[in-house]
Formats: sequence, structure tokens, C-alpha cells
Amino acid sequence: ETGVTQTPRHLVMGMTNKKSLKCEQHLGHNAMYWYKQSAKKPLELMFVYSLEERVENNSVPSRFSPECPNSSHLFLHLHTLQPEDSALYLCASSQDLAGAYEQFFGPGTRLTVL
Amino acid sequence: AQSVSQHNHHVILSEAASLELGCNYSYGGTVNLFWYVQYPGQHLQLLLKYFSGDPLVKGIKGFEAEFIKSKFSFNLRKPSVQWSDTAEYFCAVGAMNRDDKIIFGKGTRLHILP
Repeated sequence: ETGVTQTPRHLVMGMTNKKSLKCEQHLGHNAMYWYKQSAKKPLELMFVYSLEERVENNSVPSRFSPECPNSSHLFLHLHTLQPEDSALYLCASSQDLAGAYEQFFGPGTRLTVL
Repeated sequence: AQSVSQHNHHVILSEAASLELGCNYSYGGTVNLFWYVQYPGQHLQLLLKYFSGDPLVKGIKGFEAEFIKSKFSFNLRKPSVQWSDTAEYFCAVGAMNRDDKIIFGKGTRLHILP
């Protein structure tokens, strides 16, 4: 596999379920990101990790819990979500944190919360 | 921190028409500028980028963008669009400061009529 992969591609869950999204990058990058993409809204940066250390948390509700066990893997653990959390969740990676580096995106996980 | 705005939210053109999508940014220092594209059902990918040098940047699929520092703009252009250019286009601004992450605009949905 090359680039950035995400699993699952589609997820439907109830408000009381617990699920996890997985992201893996095969590019040797040091920084990884979670974004939320909703209809009619701009890309929302949720979390940023640099060398497995969380460096940014953009006021994301605690029902979203990220985990970065190593520089290649990033998880987003979900619990007690709300219907308004339904969106496309994108993972991205870049060589480093600075804005000089382009981000490489995965295909996203389409999440539907019932 | 920087900010970015895209003025056109939805653009509809006929094939062979010329395209210009506006992007303006705000930042007090040196910026790096990007255009990303998201084709229907596909992941976000880089179209072109500007770091330094020639302000006219050429990207993939015949796209180009011009950095005009005095206007804080980085407009995307294509002289003759094709039906396959139907997609959502995002302008993004990054700074060399590692504390300022890449910021994405709200996106412009481009619909090309065959």
C-alpha cells in the first residue's frame, strides 16, 4: 500500500456505540492530522500529531479521542456520538508540521451516526 | 495565525470556458500557498503549490495559479475547462512558523456542463 490509507471507508453507528477509525501512512512522514469535512462547512482541523505527540486539539468534544501509537498510525476513537457528528473524517500526513509541507490525504471514512 | 478566503462557493461553467477561482489570504509573514482538488468520490490531492520564485505556478491537468503579493491573492486559472474538472477546489495557506498549521479555505464547488 502506498500513501495514506483509512479504514473503514464507511461506518454507521448508534449514539451509544464505541468505534475506532484507523489511519496509516506509508510515506515516512512525521506529522499526522485528523480533519472533519461536513457539507457546506470548511475543513475542520481536529487534531495534530508530531512524532507521536499531540500538538493541537482544536476544541474537539471529548467524545472524540485520538491515539498515535507510532509515527505511521493514527486512530480516532469514537463514543457516545451525536447525529451532528455525521461527516467525512479525513486523515492526512506531512513531512513536518511547518506550513511549507504539503499534506497527503487519505480517502476518508464516511461516518453516519443514527 | 493566517486566514484564507475563497469567494466563489459554487461555480457552473460550460466545457471550453475559462476558469478563475479566487483565493485571498491574510498573514503578516512569508507564506506557502496551495491549491487542492477533490474529485467526486476521491480523496483530496494537491493541484499545485507556491513556495518562492516565479509567482506563476503551473500544476497538473493544465491548471495554473498566480501569486500576487500586493493583493494577497493566489487565484487558480485554467484557459479551457473540461467536464472532468468537475470537483471541489480548496485553497490553503501555510506559514514557515511551525506553530501556524496549514489553513484551508471553505472550498469552491465547480460544476462543468458537458
